[in-house]
This record gives sequence, structure tokens and C-alpha cells, in this order.
Amino acid sequence: GAVVSQHPSRVICKSGTSVKIECRSLDFQATTMFWYRQFPKQSLMLMATSNEGSKATYEQGVEKDKFLINHASLTLSTLTVTSAHPEDSSFYICSAREGRTNQPQHFGDGTRLSIL
Amino acid sequence: GENVEQHPSTLSVQEGDSAVIKCTYSDSASNYFPWYKQELGKGPQLIIDIRSNVGEKKDQRIAVTLNKTAKHFSLHITETQPEDSAVYFCAASIGGYQKVTFGIGTKLQVIP
Repeated sequence: GAVVSQHPSRVICKSGTSVKIECRSLDFQATTMFWYRQFPKQSLMLMATSNEGSKATYEQGVEKDKFLINHASLTLSTLTVTSAHPEDSSFYICSAREGRTNQPQHFGDGTRLSIL
Repeated sequence: GENVEQHPSTLSVQEGDSAVIKCTYSDSASNYFPWYKQELGKGPQLIIDIRSNVGEKKDQRIAVTLNKTAKHFSLHITETQPEDSAVYFCAASIGGYQKVTFGIGTKLQVIP
């Protein structure tokens, strides 16, 4: 149980393109989803927390207009990197937590984004 | 905010030996401590977690210990196998439903 599916696994696109990444909880309802960014050989850096039906809470230094997050249902959250540039190239990972309290986060397999 | 320190950053052990990874946290309010294993090109997978109301938890070859007074917690892997090779992250949070703060990660290499 507790499977989180992230799609696509890899994206290569030109500078200026907007890219959408989907995160789905397959067998549970995720009231909260988290988006992380991970640079090579580094830890996970939280970008934002999204609760179903409300606006995402962004961490300090993360541009909300650059990284648009939508969490319209209990099983789906999307991250859109708008007008992506080479410096946005990274490994983006989502996680989801079931609505009940004290439940751990379960992670997707990440999206490798490469902007040319 | 919470700060989680993890060491060592890299660890090499012979197959069959034990591996120990240690973490410290700063916020005494943290009460939930998950451990994740991340294989190359994959997302982190929860392998074990511990809450502050217990001092130790074991699941087959994996065990975690928690010292609330010292704000230390550790991951112990016994009888290591090559498939244990990965990056391991410790983390801390309040309640498990708030944001989780991760350690820097430990790259474990098990040498056959």
C-alpha cells in the first residue's frame, strides 16, 4: 500500500518551456502533498506544501510564480515549472501523506528535469 | 526551525558486517523520526520510523534507536548485503504530519 506515482520520470525541453509534473496517490487519499527539489549528491529541499483545496505554502526563497502548485483533488497534485531555464534543471520529487494524523510521507520516484 | 545533522556522509562496509548511521536533531518538540533509503534515480523509500514514546524499534535486519535526552537517533543495519547499498536519509518532524527536515544523507556501500 501507500504508493505514490510521479509522472513523467524524465523531461528534456528547451529554455522558456513550461513543464508540468504530476503526483498521484494511488491507494490512499492524500490531504497533504509536498514538493521537493534535490541537487546531485545533496539532501531533499522542501519547496512547498500543498493541502487539498487550498493554496500551497511555499518555503522561503521559492518563487510561487515560477513553481505553480495545484492540489485540486485528494489524489492529485501538479507542479508546473513556468518558463523553465537551465538553472531549473534538477530532480523534483513529490510526497504524499494520508489524511489521518501521524502518518508518514510516501515519495514518488521523482522527475529528472533537464532544460537545454 | 529544526536542524538535522547526519554522519557519516559515506560509509563502506564488508558484506555481512553491520552499518550504523547517526543523526542529531535540534528541536525538542520533534517526536517523529523516519528513515528513508534512496536508490540511484529513485525517490526515497520509507524503511523504518520511530516515535518519541519508544526508545528502540526493530524490523528484521534494521533497527533504530532514539535518545530523546541527547536528541540522538541512529539506524543500525546488521548482516549487510550488496542490495543495502544506497543513500540513507534520517529525518525529524513534529507529529509526522508537519514538514519533515532531512539530514544530508549517508551513502552506504556494501562491498561483496
